[in-house]
Amino acid sequence: DTGVSQDPRHKITKRGQNVTFRCDPISEHNRLYWYRQTLGQGPEFLTYFQNEAQLEKSRLLSDRFSAERPKGSFSTLEIQRTEQGDSAMYLCASSSPGLPYEQYFGPGTRLTVT
Amino acid sequence: TQLLEQSPQFLSIQEGENLTVYCNSSSVFSSLQWYRQEPGEGPVLLVTVVTGGEVKKLKRLTFQFGDARKDSSLHITAAQPGDTGLYLCVVQGAQKLVFGQGTRLTINP
Repeated sequence: DTGVSQDPRHKITKRGQNVTFRCDPISEHNRLYWYRQTLGQGPEFLTYFQNEAQLEKSRLLSDRFSAERPKGSFSTLEIQRTEQGDSAMYLCASSSPGLPYEQYFGPGTRLTVT
Repeated sequence: TQLLEQSPQFLSIQEGENLTVYCNSSSVFSSLQWYRQEPGEGPVLLVTVVTGGEVKKLKRLTFQFGDARKDSSLHITAAQPGDTGLYLCVVQGAQKLVFGQGTRLTINP
Protein backbone atom coordinates (compact mmCIF):
# COMPACT_ATOMS: atom_id res chain seq x y z
CA ASP A 1 0.00 0.00 0.00
CA THR A 2 1.63 3.26 -1.12
CA GLY A 3 -0.99 5.64 0.29
CA VAL A 4 -0.77 7.93 3.29
CA SER A 5 -0.47 6.04 6.56
CA GLN A 6 -1.06 7.19 10.11
CA ASP A 7 -0.20 5.67 13.43
CA PRO A 8 -1.84 4.94 15.78
CA ARG A 9 -5.37 4.63 14.41
CA HIS A 10 -6.88 5.09 17.84
CA LYS A 11 -5.55 6.67 21.03
CA ILE A 12 -7.25 6.96 24.39
CA THR A 13 -5.49 9.12 26.94
CA LYS A 14 -6.20 10.83 30.23
CA ARG A 15 -6.47 14.57 30.49
CA GLY A 16 -3.08 16.15 31.07
CA GLN A 17 -1.06 13.47 29.27
CA ASN A 18 1.03 14.10 26.16
CA VAL A 19 0.35 12.24 22.92
CA THR A 20 2.23 11.99 19.63
CA PHE A 21 0.88 10.92 16.25
CA ARG A 22 2.84 9.95 13.17
CA CYS A 23 2.07 10.42 9.47
CA ASP A 24 3.89 8.85 6.53
CA PRO A 25 2.94 10.62 3.28
CA ILE A 26 3.00 9.28 -0.26
CA SER A 27 6.71 9.05 -1.02
CA GLU A 28 6.91 11.48 -3.95
CA HIS A 29 4.74 14.14 -2.29
CA ASN A 30 6.67 17.06 -0.84
CA ARG A 31 3.69 18.73 0.82
CA LEU A 32 2.15 17.43 4.04
CA TYR A 33 -0.88 18.74 5.90
CA TRP A 34 -2.53 18.13 9.26
CA TYR A 35 -6.27 18.60 9.78
CA ARG A 36 -8.60 18.06 12.72
CA GLN A 37 -12.16 16.82 12.39
CA THR A 38 -14.79 16.83 15.12
CA LEU A 39 -18.05 14.95 14.98
CA GLY A 40 -20.47 16.27 12.38
CA GLN A 41 -18.00 18.71 10.87
CA GLY A 42 -15.70 18.77 7.88
CA PRO A 43 -11.95 18.70 8.52
CA GLU A 44 -10.27 21.95 9.65
CA PHE A 45 -6.73 22.89 8.66
CA LEU A 46 -4.06 22.84 11.36
CA THR A 47 -0.68 23.15 9.66
CA TYR A 48 1.26 22.56 6.45
CA PHE A 49 4.81 21.56 5.51
CA GLN A 50 6.65 21.90 2.24
CA ASN A 51 9.54 19.49 2.56
CA GLU A 52 10.83 20.06 6.12
CA ALA A 53 9.67 23.66 6.39
CA GLN A 54 6.49 24.41 8.32
CA LEU A 55 4.99 27.19 6.21
CA GLU A 56 1.60 27.82 7.76
CA LYS A 57 -0.12 27.25 11.07
CA SER A 58 -3.79 27.76 11.90
CA ARG A 59 -4.96 29.70 14.93
CA LEU A 60 -6.47 26.36 15.97
CA LEU A 61 -2.94 25.18 16.68
CA SER A 62 -2.46 26.37 20.25
CA ASP A 63 0.93 26.39 21.94
CA ARG A 64 0.19 22.90 23.28
CA PHE A 65 0.40 21.58 19.73
CA SER A 66 3.64 21.10 17.85
CA ALA A 67 4.32 19.48 14.50
CA GLU A 68 7.59 18.48 12.91
CA ARG A 69 8.81 17.02 9.66
CA PRO A 70 12.53 16.69 10.35
CA LYS A 71 13.74 15.10 7.12
CA GLY A 72 10.97 16.14 4.82
CA SER A 73 9.43 12.68 4.88
CA PHE A 74 7.27 11.55 7.83
CA SER A 75 5.71 14.04 10.23
CA THR A 76 4.73 13.97 13.89
CA LEU A 77 2.02 15.93 15.68
CA GLU A 78 2.39 16.23 19.44
CA ILE A 79 -0.25 17.48 21.83
CA GLN A 80 0.96 18.37 25.31
CA ARG A 81 -1.25 18.48 28.41
CA THR A 82 -4.24 17.12 26.53
CA GLU A 83 -7.71 18.50 27.25
CA GLN A 84 -11.10 16.93 26.62
CA GLY A 85 -11.67 19.43 23.83
CA ASP A 86 -8.75 17.89 21.96
CA SER A 87 -10.84 14.76 21.34
CA ALA A 88 -11.19 14.53 17.57
CA MET A 89 -10.00 12.73 14.45
CA TYR A 90 -6.56 13.97 13.39
CA LEU A 91 -6.06 13.61 9.65
CA CYS A 92 -2.88 13.83 7.64
CA ALA A 93 -2.78 14.50 3.91
CA SER A 94 -0.10 14.89 1.28
CA SER A 95 0.09 16.37 -2.20
CA SER A 96 2.50 16.74 -5.08
CA PRO A 97 4.05 20.11 -5.98
CA GLY A 98 2.08 20.51 -9.16
CA LEU A 99 -1.35 19.84 -7.71
CA PRO A 100 -1.44 21.16 -4.15
CA TYR A 101 -5.21 21.16 -4.15
CA GLU A 102 -5.45 17.43 -4.77
CA GLN A 103 -4.64 16.12 -1.36
CA TYR A 104 -4.65 12.46 -0.42
CA PHE A 105 -5.67 11.63 3.11
CA GLY A 106 -4.60 8.96 5.53
CA PRO A 107 -7.10 7.01 7.62
CA GLY A 108 -6.73 9.36 10.58
CA THR A 109 -5.95 8.97 14.26
CA ARG A 110 -8.99 9.04 16.54
CA LEU A 111 -8.04 10.69 19.85
CA THR A 112 -10.24 10.35 22.91
CA VAL A 113 -9.28 12.32 26.01
CA THR A 114 -10.98 11.10 29.18
CA THR B 1 -20.45 32.04 8.32
CA GLN B 2 -19.33 29.04 6.32
CA LEU B 3 -17.42 29.71 3.12
CA LEU B 4 -19.12 26.67 1.62
CA GLU B 5 -22.74 25.82 2.34
CA GLN B 6 -23.74 22.26 1.61
CA SER B 7 -27.32 21.08 1.38
CA PRO B 8 -28.98 19.04 2.52
CA GLN B 9 -26.93 18.25 5.61
CA PHE B 10 -28.58 14.84 5.95
CA LEU B 11 -30.27 12.70 3.33
CA SER B 12 -31.69 9.21 3.72
CA ILE B 13 -33.22 7.51 0.67
CA GLN B 14 -34.03 4.06 -0.65
CA GLU B 15 -31.78 2.07 -2.91
CA GLY B 16 -32.46 2.82 -6.56
CA GLU B 17 -33.55 6.43 -6.10
CA ASN B 18 -31.78 9.42 -7.60
CA LEU B 19 -30.48 12.34 -5.56
CA THR B 20 -28.69 15.65 -5.87
CA VAL B 21 -26.62 17.45 -3.26
CA TYR B 22 -25.47 21.02 -3.52
CA CYS B 23 -22.50 23.15 -2.59
CA ASN B 24 -22.92 26.93 -2.68
CA SER B 25 -20.82 29.97 -1.97
CA SER B 26 -20.76 33.69 -2.68
CA SER B 27 -17.07 33.42 -3.63
CA VAL B 28 -15.56 32.47 -6.97
CA PHE B 29 -13.13 29.56 -7.02
CA SER B 30 -10.48 28.46 -9.48
CA SER B 31 -11.25 24.83 -8.72
CA LEU B 32 -13.49 22.71 -6.54
CA GLN B 33 -13.26 19.14 -5.32
CA TRP B 34 -15.66 16.57 -3.98
CA TYR B 35 -14.48 14.03 -1.42
CA ARG B 36 -16.31 11.10 0.16
CA GLN B 37 -15.60 9.99 3.69
CA GLU B 38 -16.72 6.76 5.33
CA PRO B 39 -16.98 6.41 9.12
CA GLY B 40 -13.59 6.06 10.79
CA GLU B 41 -11.67 6.76 7.57
CA GLY B 42 -10.06 9.72 5.88
CA PRO B 43 -11.73 11.58 2.98
CA VAL B 44 -11.17 10.13 -0.49
CA LEU B 45 -10.91 12.44 -3.50
CA LEU B 46 -13.67 11.80 -6.06
CA VAL B 47 -13.23 14.59 -8.59
CA THR B 48 -11.72 18.00 -9.30
CA VAL B 49 -13.57 20.52 -11.49
CA VAL B 50 -11.81 23.61 -12.78
CA THR B 51 -13.85 25.15 -15.61
CA GLY B 52 -17.16 27.00 -15.22
CA GLY B 53 -19.98 24.79 -16.49
CA GLU B 54 -17.78 21.69 -16.45
CA VAL B 55 -19.52 18.33 -16.04
CA LYS B 56 -17.64 15.20 -14.98
CA LYS B 57 -19.02 11.71 -14.64
CA LEU B 58 -17.75 8.94 -12.41
CA LYS B 59 -19.92 5.87 -13.05
CA ARG B 60 -23.31 6.80 -11.53
CA LEU B 61 -22.04 10.08 -10.09
CA THR B 62 -22.30 13.33 -12.09
CA PHE B 63 -20.49 16.44 -10.88
CA GLN B 64 -21.17 19.91 -12.21
CA PHE B 65 -19.31 23.17 -11.60
CA GLY B 66 -21.48 26.26 -11.89
CA ASP B 67 -20.96 28.64 -14.81
CA ALA B 68 -19.82 31.37 -12.42
CA ARG B 69 -17.59 28.93 -10.50
CA LYS B 70 -19.39 29.71 -7.22
CA ASP B 71 -21.34 26.50 -6.81
CA SER B 72 -21.38 22.82 -7.60
CA SER B 73 -23.74 19.86 -7.56
CA LEU B 74 -23.35 16.12 -7.23
CA HIS B 75 -26.04 13.90 -8.74
CA ILE B 76 -26.21 10.19 -8.02
CA THR B 77 -28.31 7.95 -10.24
CA ALA B 78 -29.81 4.72 -8.92
CA ALA B 79 -28.18 5.04 -5.50
CA GLN B 80 -26.75 1.93 -3.89
CA PRO B 81 -25.95 1.14 -0.23
CA GLY B 82 -22.26 1.44 -1.10
CA ASP B 83 -22.81 5.15 -1.81
CA THR B 84 -23.47 5.75 1.88
CA GLY B 85 -21.03 8.25 3.37
CA LEU B 86 -20.21 11.88 4.06
CA TYR B 87 -19.84 13.90 0.86
CA LEU B 88 -17.60 16.92 1.26
CA CYS B 89 -17.35 19.91 -1.03
CA VAL B 90 -13.85 21.38 -0.87
CA VAL B 91 -11.99 24.40 -2.24
CA GLN B 92 -8.42 25.50 -1.93
CA GLY B 93 -7.54 28.36 0.36
CA ALA B 94 -3.95 29.59 0.51
CA GLN B 95 -2.12 26.22 0.44
CA LYS B 96 -4.83 24.49 2.46
CA LEU B 97 -8.18 22.90 1.71
CA VAL B 98 -11.37 24.46 3.05
CA PHE B 99 -14.15 21.97 3.61
CA GLY B 100 -17.89 22.38 3.73
CA GLN B 101 -19.75 20.71 6.59
CA GLY B 102 -20.73 17.87 4.31
CA THR B 103 -23.86 15.99 3.34
CA ARG B 104 -24.33 12.77 5.25
CA LEU B 105 -25.96 10.35 2.82
CA THR B 106 -27.58 7.07 3.82
CA ILE B 107 -28.85 4.64 1.22
CA ASN B 108 -31.23 2.08 2.68
CA PRO B 109 -31.46 -1.37 1.06
